[in-house]
Amino acid sequence: GAVVSQHPSWVICKSGTSVKIECRSLDFQATTMFWYRQFPKQSLMLMATSNEGSKATYEQGVEKDKFLINHASLTLSTLTVTSAHPEDSSFYICSARSQLAGATQYFGPGTRLLVL
Amino acid sequence: AQSVTQPDIHITVSEGASLELRCNYSYGATPYLFWYVQSPGQGLQLLLKYFSGDTLVQGIKGFEAEFKRSQSSFNLRKPSVHWSDAAEYFCAVVGTSYGKLTFGQGTILTVHP
Repeated sequence: GAVVSQHPSWVICKSGTSVKIECRSLDFQATTMFWYRQFPKQSLMLMATSNEGSKATYEQGVEKDKFLINHASLTLSTLTVTSAHPEDSSFYICSARSQLAGATQYFGPGTRLLVL
Repeated sequence: AQSVTQPDIHITVSEGASLELRCNYSYGATPYLFWYVQSPGQGLQLLLKYFSGDTLVQGIKGFEAEFKRSQSSFNLRKPSVHWSDAAEYFCAVVGTSYGKLTFGQGTILTVHP
């Protein structure tokens, strides 16, 4: 149980294009989903928290107009990197938390984004 | 504010040897504590967690961790390491059920045959 998937697992795009990453909780309802960014050899950096049906809460320094987050259902959240640039290249990981699981977050496998 | 420190950036052990990964946290009360493992290019897998009760918690893959309030520590242990345990390990803490996770810097584990 508590499986989280991400799609795509990796994506290469040209600078200036937009990329959408999906995060799904497969066997539980995720009232809250989180989006993280991880640079090589570093820990995870929280980008934003999203609650189903509400606007996402972004961490300080994260551009909300660049990283659009939608959490339209209890099993799906999407992160759209708009007008991507090479500096947006990174490993993006989502996690999901249900009311039943309390504080526990379950993580997806991550999405590697490379912007050329 | 809560914080987590993993003092060891990189640890190397021989296969079959015992392992202990250190984690110290800073928080005003007893937080919720987690250990996650990340293989290269993968997401994080939950190894174990501590919320309350017995301070020695058992996790998956033969791992265990002990919560020591007096030392603000939550060290991860395994009696006999396997080559497949090579990965990066993250300790994390959250103050409330609805809070945000704070991660340590991670410890990379290398296992020699």
